Amino acid sequence: GAVVSQHPSWVICKSGTSVKIECRSLDFQATTMFWYRQFPKQSLMLMATSNEGSKATYEQGVEKDKFLINHASLTLSTLTVTSAHPEDSSFYICSARGGLVDTQYFGPGTRLTVL
Amino acid sequence: QKEVEQDPGPLSVPEGAIVSLNCTYSNSAFQYFMWYRQYSRKGPELLMYTYSSGNKEDGRFTAQVDKSSKYISLFIRDSQPSDSATYLCAMRGVTGGGNKLTFGTGTQLKVEL
Repeated sequence: GAVVSQHPSWVICKSGTSVKIECRSLDFQATTMFWYRQFPKQSLMLMATSNEGSKATYEQGVEKDKFLINHASLTLSTLTVTSAHPEDSSFYICSARGGLVDTQYFGPGTRLTVL
Repeated sequence: QKEVEQDPGPLSVPEGAIVSLNCTYSNSAFQYFMWYRQYSRKGPELLMYTYSSGNKEDGRFTAQVDKSSKYISLFIRDSQPSDSATYLCAMRGVTGGGNKLTFGTGTQLKVEL
């Protein structure tokens, strides 16, 4: 139980384009979802917290107009990287809070490469 | 000083060894303690979840929490090459902060044949 999926698993795009990443909790309802960014050999950096039906809460230093988060249902959250640039290239991981044990369950991650 | 300190390793052990991974923390409000395992280019996977002080065992894994010392440990018995991964400790308080987790930097473990 407590499975979280992400799609796509990897994406390559041109600079200036927008990319949408989906995060789904497959077997539980998640009132809260989190989006992280991870650079090679570093720990997870929380970008934002989203609650179903509410605006996301962004961490300090994260541009909310660049990283658009939508949490439209209890099982789906999306992260859209708008006008992507090479410095946005990273590993993006979502997590969903819920399941049998009330903690965060992580998706497999999405590797974004911006050319 | 970081809220959660974790030795980044790398830690290299022979197959079958007992592995000890540790984190220290400074925030006495932390009540829930977790260990995640992360393979390269994958998302973290929940291994152990503990509330407050005490021990918890699950198969080859044992988690210990000592709140008086602000110290948590993960022991892996009979380590296998498949245990080679980065291990992240994480913790949070009871309320507030949107239930955000505070992570250690992760310890890279390699179990060699």
